[in-house]
Amino acid sequence: DAGVIQSPRHEVTEMGQEVTLRCKPISGHNSLFWYRQTMMRGLELLIYFNNNVPIDDSGMPEDRFSAKMPNASFSTLKIQPSEPRDSAVYFCASTTTGTRATEAFFGQGTRLTVV
Amino acid sequence: SQQGEEDPQALSIQEGENATMNCSYKTSINNLQWYRQNSGRGLVHLILIRSNEREKHSGRLRVTLDTSKKSSSLLITASRAADTASYFCATPYYNTDKLIFGTGTRLQVFP
Repeated sequence: DAGVIQSPRHEVTEMGQEVTLRCKPISGHNSLFWYRQTMMRGLELLIYFNNNVPIDDSGMPEDRFSAKMPNASFSTLKIQPSEPRDSAVYFCASTTTGTRATEAFFGQGTRLTVV
Repeated sequence: SQQGEEDPQALSIQEGENATMNCSYKTSINNLQWYRQNSGRGLVHLILIRSNEREKHSGRLRVTLDTSKKSSSLLITASRAADTASYFCATPYYNTDKLIFGTGTRLQVFP
């Protein structure tokens, strides 16, 4: 397995533009997480899905952020409109959860810069 | 919000020395995990310890868990320059699947 795949690796966009980040989890994993990492706030959990269903989106900062998981092999995180304070590294991670919980596998991240 | 807090925030040692990092968490857990992050990269899982375990080893890593104190420690023995990275603990929030990370410890190992 190629691991968790995120795209793009880097994104530079102008304030007000829509940004879509993509993630392909590891096949067979039933949970997917979106995290945001900044120097000031560390690693924040934005939202997580279990069996493609959003379970907890309490970490999503504003209505400008939305996430979807249309099937077990694909998820998106969208920011519309983007703002400079959204600049961060966004990570996707997948894992097997429940009574047989195992470790989370992270993608390489998308470094977003909003100018 | 952060579930765990690592201590110290930063640690600098010489190659060959041992490095100890501590993690405190707030809620009941069924497992605790440690991850490493090299600069500019994603997090990599190091070790998972379940709530009914007190100590676990993996190579040069030793993890302890004290559920009564809600704390864990990660010991890296005979450190190498390649161990230079940030180290994070992570716990499931109130035993849900919500995996929350601590604030991290930045480890610098000088050759």
